[in-house]
Amino acid sequence: DQQVKQNSPSLSVQEGRISILNCDYTNSMFDYFLWYKKYPAEGPTFLISISSIKDKNEDGRFTVFLNKSAKHLSLHIVPSQPGDSAVYFCAASDNYGQNFVFGPGTRLSVLP
Amino acid sequence: NAGVTQTPKFRVLKTGQSMTLLCAQDMNHEYMYWYRQDPGMGLRLIHYSVGEGTTAKGEVPDGYNVSRLKKQNFLLGLESAAPSQTSVYFCASRGTGVPKLFFGSGTQLSVL
Repeated sequence: DQQVKQNSPSLSVQEGRISILNCDYTNSMFDYFLWYKKYPAEGPTFLISISSIKDKNEDGRFTVFLNKSAKHLSLHIVPSQPGDSAVYFCAASDNYGQNFVFGPGTRLSVLP
Repeated sequence: NAGVTQTPKFRVLKTGQSMTLLCAQDMNHEYMYWYRQDPGMGLRLIHYSVGEGTTAKGEVPDGYNVSRLKKQNFLLGLESAAPSQTSVYFCASRGTGVPKLFFGSGTQLSVL
């Protein structure tokens, strides 16, 4: 059973609008959450993270929200740009990052 | 600025053949990981290491072996390749500070 779920395999958004990517987890021991972006034929690259003691973290156009009671986090990209088109992976860790569990990914397409 | 380097980038094997994937990092990181990426499955942890001379099993370790003889290198071996091991393999590393993985660019392995 997947401990980290991304129920939307794909998402299409118009350039300039908001992209919202969702992630759910089942393990209440997870205490750190990350988002990675992956372009074809490249390795995943770190985007943004959040500790379980916070409910929001912002970095430029990217904001991650964490709802611990619902075991849900989301990544907001505002405004979306064509260069944001990629696969986004949600990841979670316990024990402050010894192991990381990844979701299946969401493919975001930002249309010009 | 090499970061995490994986070799080879592509490989085709016949069933039963063996091979070793090499991962090298130049960031003096303690932790190193091997993941495989399959469609719809996200990144699944094969083996990891928390320091030179140590290794541990991840989520999908069967059919693989690893060694961490030097801090900067983490080797993944397939003793007898099977078609089910056709996948994209990613190596990652992290330091002892904020839990953030740095990934290599991947190895595309096909087992016929």
